[in-house]
Amino acid sequence: GIQVEQSPPDLILQEGANSTLRCNFSDSVNNLQWFHQNPWGQLINLFYIPSGTKQNGRLSATTVATERYSLLYISSSQTTDSGVYFCAVDPGGKLIFGQGTTLQVKP
Amino acid sequence: DVKVTQSSRYLVKRTGEKVFLECVQDMDHENMFWYRQDPGLGLRLIYFSYDVKMKEKGDIPEGYSVSREKKERFSLILESASTNQTSMYLCASSLLGYEQYFGPGTRLTVT
Repeated sequence: GIQVEQSPPDLILQEGANSTLRCNFSDSVNNLQWFHQNPWGQLINLFYIPSGTKQNGRLSATTVATERYSLLYISSSQTTDSGVYFCAVDPGGKLIFGQGTTLQVKP
Repeated sequence: DVKVTQSSRYLVKRTGEKVFLECVQDMDHENMFWYRQDPGLGLRLIYFSYDVKMKEKGDIPEGYSVSREKKERFSLILESASTNQTSMYLCASSLLGYEQYFGPGTRLTVT
């Protein structure tokens, strides 16, 4: 089956720093989503991005489907950005999740 | 805004009990999903449904069943709860081929 790999697994930043999270996938996909899991466990939708680039405030994402990767950019990080970031791909009807990147933003 | 709700945030049950986890969505989505999340194992799909009274097994269906009698409601049933079913359970819904939206999750502890 399709493999989804996220890097880095862990990331520690000072408040105000920028970061890039990467998601590689091993086969063609129909869709790709980025999520942020908050401290209470809920998955918050960040981007639905099968291809191209999208921006939402301090966050942006780029998916290059032909090269099978996606990037999530976080600029001017804040302590509220802390948590786990998941990439999930849809090869045909159901999501396959990566293992996540755990981000800690220190004040 | 899409809203997916789950019946309980925290639940404690005894081994052997029958457990019902309820999920309701308010956006007329055809698809609904149940996942469990465990440390080191990530999120894994248990069951999903593309329509009322329809169900499909996911990657780890053993020990679970589901029910979808109405479009907006998808129930996960643990027929006889066991300690290895202690986990975080997440429900999601989507339109076919579009992004999934998740509920707040239920932390189930089986003692």
